[in-house]
Amino acid sequence: AQSVTQLGSHVSVSEGALVLLRCNYSSSVPPYLFWYVQYPNQGLQLLLKYTSAATLVKGINGFEAEFKKSETSFHLTKPSAHMSDAAEYFCAVSVRGNDMRFGAGTRLTVKP
Amino acid sequence: GAGVSQTPSNKVTEKGKYVELRCDPISGHTALYWYRQSLGQGPEFLIYFQGTGAADDSGLPNDRFFAVRPEGSVSTLKIQRTERGDSAVYLCASSTGLAASTDTQYFGPGTRLTVL
Repeated sequence: AQSVTQLGSHVSVSEGALVLLRCNYSSSVPPYLFWYVQYPNQGLQLLLKYTSAATLVKGINGFEAEFKKSETSFHLTKPSAHMSDAAEYFCAVSVRGNDMRFGAGTRLTVKP
Repeated sequence: GAGVSQTPSNKVTEKGKYVELRCDPISGHTALYWYRQSLGQGPEFLIYFQGTGAADDSGLPNDRFFAVRPEGSVSTLKIQRTERGDSAVYLCASSTGLAASTDTQYFGPGTRLTVL
C-alpha cells in the first residue's frame, strides 16, 4: 500500500526566509501526490497536487512542489515565508484517487 | 452552503455512550470520506462511500464504528460503546468521484469528539 513520510514534525523559519517541508512517498505504481494545509481549528485546504502533467507544481499562496521520481520525493517550498504561513502541513499520496493516505504532518512556525 | 459541513463541531460524551457524527457533503459530490485525526497525527482513513454504498471500509478500527449514507448525500458516522481512545477530530471530505487525475477531496471543519 502507498504511504508518505514527512521528515521533521516541526520546522521553524524567519519571516522572509525560504520554506522547505520534506515529503517522501512509497508506491508500487505512479502516484498522485498532494499537499494540504491546516490552520488552527479549520479543515484541511488543498495547496497543490501532482497528477503527472508536470513535475513542478505551483499551488496557492506562493507554494510549489517538485516531483522527483528518482528520489521518491515531493518537497514543498516557498521562497519567502509570511507570518500567515504558520500552520500544519500534510503530504498525502493516492494511486486511485479515492485511497488517499496522509503523512503525520509538519508544523511550520514563522518567527518575526 | 458551498462547502462540506459537519455537525456538531464539538461533542463531549461519557465512556460507554453512543454518538452520531453528521457530514453534509458538497452538493453533487458522489464520493464521501471519513477520517480520524488524533492529536499530533495526520488524518487516518476510516471509510469511503461512492453513492450510497461503502466502497472501502478497511479503515474502520473495529465493529463499534459504523457509517451510513442512505440517500447518497448526508452521511452519519456512528460509534457505539465509546472509549477514551476514540477521542479525536473526525473529518469528513467529499469529491466528485470522477477521474483520479482530476478528483480533489474537499474537507469539512471536523467534529472534535471527547470521551470522558
